[in-house]
Amino acid sequence: AQTVTQSQPEMSVQEAETVTLSCTYDTSESDYYLFWYKQPPSRQMILVIRQEAYKQQNATENRFSVNFQKAAKSFSLKISDSQLGDAAMYFCAYRRTSGTYKYIFGTGTRLKVLA
Amino acid sequence: GAVVSQHPSWVICKSGTSVKIECRSLDFQATTMFWYRQFPKQSLMLMATSNEGSKATYEQGVEKDKFLINHASLTLSTLTVTSAHPEDSSFYICSARWLAGEEQYFGPGTRLTVT
Repeated sequence: AQTVTQSQPEMSVQEAETVTLSCTYDTSESDYYLFWYKQPPSRQMILVIRQEAYKQQNATENRFSVNFQKAAKSFSLKISDSQLGDAAMYFCAYRRTSGTYKYIFGTGTRLKVLA
Repeated sequence: GAVVSQHPSWVICKSGTSVKIECRSLDFQATTMFWYRQFPKQSLMLMATSNEGSKATYEQGVEKDKFLINHASLTLSTLTVTSAHPEDSSFYICSARWLAGEEQYFGPGTRLTVT
């Protein structure tokens, strides 16, 4: 069975600094999707970034980028130039490319941004 | 685009009554919808997956007779919590995807309080 692990329950970063959130997963599949979602206090889940496993190039969305290490089954999220609005829960998620399309979520990392 | 709404956003009901939560995809046809439950400071727990016109597939440990899911159209799924008890109090989130879509789009969630 697939699993997703986020080993950092909470992280803090100074405004304008860079922070990296960790995520590891376990799967026997060769092709799959990985996602980072942000859940602010409003609790609305917001997609931050998506990575397809067959693509070797790391995904980037403005200040957000990932370090995808397929062999190590690692998928970390780097937030550059952190802003107060980045404070939220961040969830890493995995899904297969076929089947039920359901997500497997990690336990989340709470990010605090210090002014 | 890809907006999912939920109604109501907050509901309070008495123990023993039933309550229905609606999930709508506003600008796309949702071939698959998912229902999650989230306890405070915890991750999202998938309850069930529903495909339009088919019976929902429930995750292990989820009582299908207690949490009735109907996905009668390509834009609407409902979750009915039957004979609610205080332990059913939680935050319920739905998500939806369209055919061949790579990701799920999340609704804003419904807070259920059973007194």
